[in-house]
Amino acid sequence: EDQVTQSPEALRLQEGESSSLNCSYTVSGLRGLFWYRQDPGKGPEFLFTLYSAGEEKEKERLKATLTKKESFLHITAPKPEDSATYLCAVPAGEYGNKLVFGAGTILRVKS
Amino acid sequence: EAQVTQNPRYLITVTGKKLTVTCSQNMNHEYMSWYRQDPGLGLRQIYYSMNVEVTDKGDVPEGYKVSRKEKRNFPLILESPSPNQTSLYFCASSPRTSGGSYNEQFFGPGTRLTVL
Repeated sequence: EDQVTQSPEALRLQEGESSSLNCSYTVSGLRGLFWYRQDPGKGPEFLFTLYSAGEEKEKERLKATLTKKESFLHITAPKPEDSATYLCAVPAGEYGNKLVFGAGTILRVKS
Repeated sequence: EAQVTQNPRYLITVTGKKLTVTCSQNMNHEYMSWYRQDPGLGLRQIYYSMNVEVTDKGDVPEGYKVSRKEKRNFPLILESPSPNQTSLYFCASSPRTSGGSYNEQFFGPGTRLTVL
């Protein structure tokens, strides 16, 4: 069964304290991995797509990396405005037309 | 402005009263999808549509119906809502991909549904 697990469920950081979020997946044939950011009361907003092991993408203080079994979202010197829920997702099903999400990591950055 | 719109944004209804949540996108995307989001469970896919007149079940389709008669619209229908369908619902769209890769989805603002 296609599955995505994110850890930790919640993470509290001080401003400037770098850390990483984890997304592990079980799918038959990876067809990409997506990271989204979701602010309270809003729809998820796309951050990154990674397609193959070893691939990395960066955006401001965020860097996403991918291995054969998991992905990491590294947050360097976070600011309070980085507080949000971070979701990862993978295409699933026989043809990859479904999308399976992890439960998310709630990040709080305190100043 | 490129966007996905949903209506209504908030809805309180009673058990058994049929309702429709509309979803519309102005980006000419082929792929559209509905999700529900519940605390601790994340986003779960209800139905998706690869194109007009092509729909398929996601992971939690029971109690829901969809239709795709036009490319831009993908309504979600609850014919006999029950309290366990109380949730936050999101519609999303995505352009069709080529070369076997998959594109990111653009999400609507959400519809908060309460079934009493």
